[in-house]
Amino acid sequence: SYELTQPPSVSVSPGQTASIPCSGDKLRETYASWYQQRPGQSPVLVIYENTERPSGIPERFSGSISGNTATLTISGTQAMDEADFYCQAWDSSTVIFGGGTKLTVL
Amino acid sequence: QVQLQESGPGLVKPSETLSLTCTVSGGSISTYFWTWIRQPPGKGLEWIGYIFHSGNTNYNPSLKSRVSISVDTSKNQFSLNLSSVTAADTAVYYCARIPSGYMDVWGKGTTVTVSS
Repeated sequence: SYELTQPPSVSVSPGQTASIPCSGDKLRETYASWYQQRPGQSPVLVIYENTERPSGIPERFSGSISGNTATLTISGTQAMDEADFYCQAWDSSTVIFGGGTKLTVL
Repeated sequence: QVQLQESGPGLVKPSETLSLTCTVSGGSISTYFWTWIRQPPGKGLEWIGYIFHSGNTNYNPSLKSRVSISVDTSKNQFSLNLSSVTAADTAVYYCARIPSGYMDVWGKGTTVTVSS
């Protein structure tokens, strides 16, 4: 079955840039989306169609794609950005999630 | 502004059927796709399946034999049935909207525990 691979954890210092990769062969032919999930809360869409940011999402969140790897970048990371992040894509008509990355701001 | 609200029993016995409903408010269910996603305690997100307002569905292959999703456009609701549940089905269950390949609106989630 098709998989999206994310690192289990990423650490960043406040004010620095955090990058979270998501790799999978299908990313060459389908869009990636990204979701932020704070503890005890529902996921929130932060990036869709690889690079698009929904209204209300801070500009410090950006997305990119290169080959089979999509990357979520958070510039000027703040303490409030600490959360789990999930990438998502499609395999034919089924939805696939990455395993999730815990972002720690320390 | 569209809002989604999950409802249903918080406790289900093993081997029984888990039934949840998602109520859509602030917008019509008669457009877009609508989906169920779950998250076991301490684990990641797992897609369950989706439905179009016309009734067309698609399910996660790993759950397909036990899952059914239906829609009631008159009530602006869609529902999930998961049969023959076990402890492994204990999770927070979310409903969400899919406008175009991504989930832009999520419900708050409802916790379902499978236990006798």
